[in-house]
Amino acid sequence: DQQVKQNSPSLSVQEGRISILNCDYTNSMFDYFLWYKKYPAEGPTFLISISSIKDKNEDGRFTVFLNKSAKHLSLHIVPSQPGDSAVYFCAASAGGGSNYKLTFGKGTLLTVNP
Amino acid sequence: NAGVTQTPKFQVLKTGQSMTLQCAQDMNHNSMYWYRQDPGMGLRLIYYSASEGTTDKGEVPNGYNVSRLNKREFSLRLESAAPSQTSVYFCASSPVPGGNQPQHFGDGTRLSIL
Repeated sequence: DQQVKQNSPSLSVQEGRISILNCDYTNSMFDYFLWYKKYPAEGPTFLISISSIKDKNEDGRFTVFLNKSAKHLSLHIVPSQPGDSAVYFCAASAGGGSNYKLTFGKGTLLTVNP
Repeated sequence: NAGVTQTPKFQVLKTGQSMTLQCAQDMNHNSMYWYRQDPGMGLRLIYYSASEGTTDKGEVPNGYNVSRLNKREFSLRLESAAPSQTSVYFCASSPVPGGNQPQHFGDGTRLSIL
């Protein structure tokens, strides 16, 4: 059973507009969430994270929102740039960091069109 | 800026052959991880090493062994390769153990088993 779900396999947006990538989870024990970006033939790169004690975390053009009651988080990229075109993975962990296991979603391919 | 280096980048094996995937990091990180990524799937943890001298099983450890050779190096061994182990393997490291620690990934080893 998938505990972290990224239901949109792909998303296409215009340069300069907002990209919104969504992630749902089922395990209520998850208390830390991370987003990774992956280019083809490269490893994932850490982008941004959020603890369950917060509902928003911002880093430049990237903002992650967490809605614990809905078990839903989203990554907003504003404004989107062609270089943001990549696969984005949502990941979650439980246990306040003592659990080393990250559970990853299947990823969403973002394409930003010039 | 090397970060996490994986060798080889590509490998083709025959069923039953053995193989060791190498991983080294130059960031003085304590913790290291091995993941596999299959088509249309997120990354799944095979084994991890919280610190030098320790290793533990992850989500999908069957058919694999690991060695934490020193603080820098963490190898993954397939004793008798099977077609189900065809995958892209990623090594990662983090400064300290914990699911709330951003992990730094290598560029992967693409392994095909015929």
